Amino acid sequence: TQLLEQSPQFLSIQEGENLTVYCNSSSVFSSLQWYRQEPGEGPVLLVTVVTGGEVKKLKRLTFQFGDARKDSSLHITAAQPGDTGLYLCAGAPGTYKYIFGTGTRLKVLA
Amino acid sequence: DTAVSQTPKYLVTQMGNDKSIKCEQNLGHDTMYWYKQDSKKFLKIMFSYNNKELIINETVPNRFSPKSPDKAHLNLHINSLELGDSAVYFCASSQLGAGNTIYFGEGSWLTVV
Repeated sequence: TQLLEQSPQFLSIQEGENLTVYCNSSSVFSSLQWYRQEPGEGPVLLVTVVTGGEVKKLKRLTFQFGDARKDSSLHITAAQPGDTGLYLCAGAPGTYKYIFGTGTRLKVLA
Repeated sequence: DTAVSQTPKYLVTQMGNDKSIKCEQNLGHDTMYWYKQDSKKFLKIMFSYNNKELIINETVPNRFSPKSPDKAHLNLHINSLELGDSAVYFCASSQLGAGNTIYFGEGSWLTVV
């Protein structure tokens, strides 16, 4: 069974701090996505990475796809309360579906 | 206009009942999905349809039956509801193929009592 493990599972930090969320698997993925989900809503795509070693930046968020395409990380610089939410990575082992990670619940305190 | 809309948003029902959740997307996508999110926020795919044809069925009990009358609609019918079916069910759509954005509905919160 393909599994995407995220760590940490929960994270509570003060505004202005930096943090990194990890997404790890033993499987190779053709692409990997990161989503953010806010309470009462569905997940919303943040980024898609497709090339091993790829780094993408979205304002204060930096996403990296591992060289072997088995893992990814999300780094947030100077976190803000608006970053609070559930962060989900999702990997595509093939063409037709994405497997979602176990999730990281982030709370940024003002 | 809501891209992926699902109804109802909240559903409380008794064990043994049959219920349906409806989903519609206006994005012109050819692929639609049903996901289940449990109390630990784990999001697991249940079904996927491409152009009305079932392409993914992830070990879901037979009590769950999806129906896609056209590629813009994917409904989920659940027979003989059990306590363990309580969860948030998300409908989603995308263009077929890895790397495409999956657009999610707001979720349907099902509580079985």
